[in-house]
Amino acid sequence: AQTVTQSQPEMSVQEAETVTLSCTYDTSESDYYLFWYKQPPSRQMILVIRQEAYKQQNATENRFSVNFQKAAKSFSLKISDSQLGDAAMYFCAYRSAQGGSEKLVFGKGTKLTVNP
Amino acid sequence: ETGVTQSPTHLIKTRGQQVTLRCSSQSGHNTVSWYQQALGQGPQFIFQYYREEENGRGNFPPRFSGLQFPNYSSELNVNALELDDSALYLCASSGGGGRYNEQFFGPGTRLTVL
Repeated sequence: AQTVTQSQPEMSVQEAETVTLSCTYDTSESDYYLFWYKQPPSRQMILVIRQEAYKQQNATENRFSVNFQKAAKSFSLKISDSQLGDAAMYFCAYRSAQGGSEKLVFGKGTKLTVNP
Repeated sequence: ETGVTQSPTHLIKTRGQQVTLRCSSQSGHNTVSWYQQALGQGPQFIFQYYREEENGRGNFPPRFSGLQFPNYSSELNVNALELDDSALYLCASSGGGGRYNEQFFGPGTRLTVL
């Protein structure tokens, strides 16, 4: 079974600074997806960024980028130029690319605080 | 385009009761997944429906059951409620059928069991 571990329950960053959130995962599969989701106090889960395991290039979406280390099973999220609106719970998630199920396996989350 | 909606927003039940939660999928989506998110935890996969058939189930007892209707909306039913069922229940819809389809989440239903 796949597992996702987020070892930082809480992180804080100053506005305009850079912060990195950590995630490790365990799987025996070679073909999968990894995600970072943001959950603000409104509760709605929002996809931040997606990485396909067979792609060596790290995904980037504007101020958000990942450091994907497949051999180490590590998938960290870097937020540059942090903004007050980035404050939220961030969840790392795994999804197999095999079979028909789109089941997501989530970590426990990291609460990000952005200080003005 | 209407996003994923869930009803009700909040719900309070007592132990032993039954509850039905509803989810309307995004227009054009044929797959609905349900997740349970306990306080301070990440969401846990309950089950998924694809074109009205269950297509994967997580480690939840049979008292958690579901339905998907011809319009691809879905219901989650929980019988014999227990205190530990108190959680945020999220549904997510996706296009289904391809290699990758992004899941779009609804705002959730907060269930409290007393």
